[in-house]
Amino acid sequence: DGGITQSPKYLFRKEGQNVTLSCEQNLNHDAMYWYRQDPGQGLRLIYYSQIVNDFQKGDIAEGYSVSREKKESFPLTVTSAQKNPTAFYLCASADNGNQPQHFGDGTRLSIL
Amino acid sequence: GQQLNQSPQSMFIQEGEDVSMNCTSSSIFNTWLWYKQEPGEGPVLLIALYKAGELTSNGRLTAQFGITRKDSFLNISASIPSDVGIYFCAGSIVTDSWGKLQFGAGTQVVVTP
Repeated sequence: DGGITQSPKYLFRKEGQNVTLSCEQNLNHDAMYWYRQDPGQGLRLIYYSQIVNDFQKGDIAEGYSVSREKKESFPLTVTSAQKNPTAFYLCASADNGNQPQHFGDGTRLSIL
Repeated sequence: GQQLNQSPQSMFIQEGEDVSMNCTSSSIFNTWLWYKQEPGEGPVLLIALYKAGELTSNGRLTAQFGITRKDSFLNISASIPSDVGIYFCAGSIVTDSWGKLQFGAGTQVVVTP
């Protein structure tokens, strides 16, 4: 099946620890995105990538980092600098920046 | 920055009723999208709109791209229990050949038998 796979579904982070969320897509999409979702709010853009080996900061990039070494993969690292990391993280992809985005099923990150 | 207001925040309706929700923006958008999100899952695209005035249906769902390009609405007719979820609008402006989505805060829909 074609789609976007996020893993793990649930993740727990200790204080001072970096954690990495995985996002893989087999849709052959050029564009990939990471969003953060907090209760009662819309999705906020963390980072996006238009093409392999390129990525740009979104609206709330502080405390996060990404890489785009392969077209199908766009992992997100939540660093210890992110002081309020508890949230639902959503990855999305699209043919390009002007096409509708399709989402994975998310990773819920909590602090121990 | 751009602001996208979605209303209502929540709706409690009886099965069989029609539902209407809308989004307004302080800026002009080139694209409006409507998504549905169920608990613990990612949003699923329902309808995409690309032209001012466009009216598009997907089963019992109908959405319109406002003439001013600053608003959009979504209607659900004859609601059923599986319509429960959070519905998000999203709009984009194409700048430098790249469109970034702005999302509304969502409308929570609860359907009672």
